[in-house]
Amino acid sequence: GAGVSQSPRYKVAKRGQDVALRCDPISGHVSLFWYQQALGQGPEFLTYFQNEAQLDKSGLPSDRFFAERPEGSVSTLKIQRTQQEDSAVYLCASSLLPGSRKDSPLHFGNGTRLTVT
Amino acid sequence: KNQVEQSPQSLIILEGKNCTLQCNYTVSPFSNLRWYKQDTGRGPVSLTIMTFSENTKSNGRYTATLDADTKQSSLHITASQLSDSASYICVVRGYSSASKIIFGSGTRLSIRP
Repeated sequence: GAGVSQSPRYKVAKRGQDVALRCDPISGHVSLFWYQQALGQGPEFLTYFQNEAQLDKSGLPSDRFFAERPEGSVSTLKIQRTQQEDSAVYLCASSLLPGSRKDSPLHFGNGTRLTVT
Repeated sequence: KNQVEQSPQSLIILEGKNCTLQCNYTVSPFSNLRWYKQDTGRGPVSLTIMTFSENTKSNGRYTATLDADTKQSSLHITASQLSDSASYICVVRGYSSASKIIFGSGTRLSIRP
């Protein structure tokens, strides 16, 4: 079956523009995570969904960042009024089981590389 | 201070040689530790998972070790191949929160022919 799919693969935005990044998780996966990965660094947690509920958004760096998963499947990460420091790879990961089942592996998409000019 | 520290930051070895990557963590309470492989331009892929009670786990040419007392893990790669060139990320899952998953910064491994 298909893995986690993210689109677009690359996005160039002018500073101040709004962007929307999409994540299609593996079908049936309960948990969905968004991460931000700077060049040469490990992923940094942004937010976590269990089905449609956003249970943790403590990693979102500012109120310009907003994520949703209205039907418990596809998720969108929106960044308003983009800044240069938002340039990074945004990774989405899904997991079959709820986050409380910590042995459930994360399946990552290939990410969206966002460049803000 | 990062709760998951990896060393070395980067490593270059010749094809066919072995290497060992290190991971120290302070995440507590601890649930499990995974090593992920991340090819350039791709998302990370899980290689191994280890829980508190496990000391060693192998996956083909990859062998992970865990010392929960000293909070150290290693990933040993045997008979390296060109396709092993990637970043290897140590990931520790906390016990208390569903979303507490801490990533190290990774070791960038390059295999030379």
